[in-house]
Amino acid sequence: EVQMLESGGGLVQPGGSLRLSCAASGFTFSTSVMTWVRQAPGRGLEWVSGLSGSGDSTYYADSVRGRFTVSRDNSKNMVYLQMDSLSAEDTAVYYCAKASGYVEYWGLGTLVTVSS
Amino acid sequence: QPVLTQSSSASASLGSSVKLTCSLSSGHSTYIIAWHQQQPGKAPRYLMKLEGSGSYNKGSGIPDRFSGSSSGADRYLTISNLQSEDEADYYCETWDSNTRVFGGGTKVTVL
Repeated sequence: EVQMLESGGGLVQPGGSLRLSCAASGFTFSTSVMTWVRQAPGRGLEWVSGLSGSGDSTYYADSVRGRFTVSRDNSKNMVYLQMDSLSAEDTAVYYCAKASGYVEYWGLGTLVTVSS
Repeated sequence: QPVLTQSSSASASLGSSVKLTCSLSSGHSTYIIAWHQQQPGKAPRYLMKLEGSGSYNKGSGIPDRFSGSSSGADRYLTISNLQSEDEADYYCETWDSNTRVFGGGTKVTVL
């Protein structure tokens, strides 16, 4: 069974940093594109970042480029999202997802709240 | 990059059918999309991949009541025999070489 379990969310002050983790299982992780999608309270889905199976290619939405860094550890089946210079606009549930072009499996999400 | 446009809401009676539309922006009419369902308080769930030809492939466990079709730049999701658990937000998604886009979502209400 394909599973993604996110962790690392929580309350952080504006300007602060947070690192999200995603533990994946049930599929061949090292060849799978992984992506992060977020959803602000009461809003729709917003793509944040993605990376290739090797991790050599990374992609970011304009809203987070330069502040967020995506990475993976294929030896541990883990994906990470380092988030710096956070602002209130980054408050959202962050979902880790497996993609084959389209997103085919979603994690349960982890909530990030940016507030003083 | 492509833009996906969805109506904000739709409603239909229990047991009836509803057809949702996702429109691709100009120059992107041949793009493949995916449909996702998000029930209240839950994570999204992949429903199906839908091509411009109208061919679709559903995810595991998705009921036969869900089907897809296409016409030009429009992609459709039809839910037949509407059930109470179908009350949810529905999002379409597409992707390009280095970006991914979601539509604004359609909230489906079962009357």
